[in-house]
Amino acid sequence: DAGVIQSPRHEVTEMGQEVTLRCKPISGHDYLFWYRQTMMRGLELLIYFNNNVPIDDSGMPEDRFSAKMPNASFSTLKIQPSEPRDSAVYFCASSLALAVGSYTFGSGTRLTVV
Amino acid sequence: GQQLNQSPQSMFIQEGEDVSMNCTSSSIFNTWLWYKQEPGEGPVLLIALYKAGELTSNGRLTAQFGITRKDSFLNISASIPSDVGIYFCAGQQTSGSRLTFGEGTQLTVNP
Repeated sequence: DAGVIQSPRHEVTEMGQEVTLRCKPISGHDYLFWYRQTMMRGLELLIYFNNNVPIDDSGMPEDRFSAKMPNASFSTLKIQPSEPRDSAVYFCASSLALAVGSYTFGSGTRLTVV
Repeated sequence: GQQLNQSPQSMFIQEGEDVSMNCTSSSIFNTWLWYKQEPGEGPVLLIALYKAGELTSNGRLTAQFGITRKDSFLNISASIPSDVGIYFCAGQQTSGSRLTFGEGTQLTVNP
């Protein structure tokens, strides 16, 4: 398996623009997680899905952030409008419900909002 | 919510030295995981622990699941330059629940 695939790897955008981050989980994994990593706050869980259904979005910073999982092989995290404080590395991870050792991260998207 | 306190925050050591880091919580966890993150990449699983008291090795790495189920330890023996990175602990309270991550330990190994 190719692992969790995220795109793009790097994104530079201007404040106010819409940003869409993409994730393809490992085939067969039924959980998908979106994290944000910054120096100040470390790894923060934003939202996670089980069988394509959002389970907990309490980590989503504000209404500018939204996430969708239209099918088992694709998820998006959208920021609209983007702000400089959104600059961070965004990770997607997937896992099997009963196999915590299967929890696998993608390589991340480094977002810079100028 | 539950928090994991990881220490130390950073370590600067000489090649060949042994390293110890730990993770503690006020809550009980049923599973402990240790991850390593290298620059520009996502965290990669090193060791998973499933039972209190369990001691598991992966090459020069050894991790232990504390008896109280509120802590875990990671040791690296005879460090080498490629051990550089950020090491994260993570805990899971019940099967299928989300992972809680520690703040990470930044390890620097001087040749």
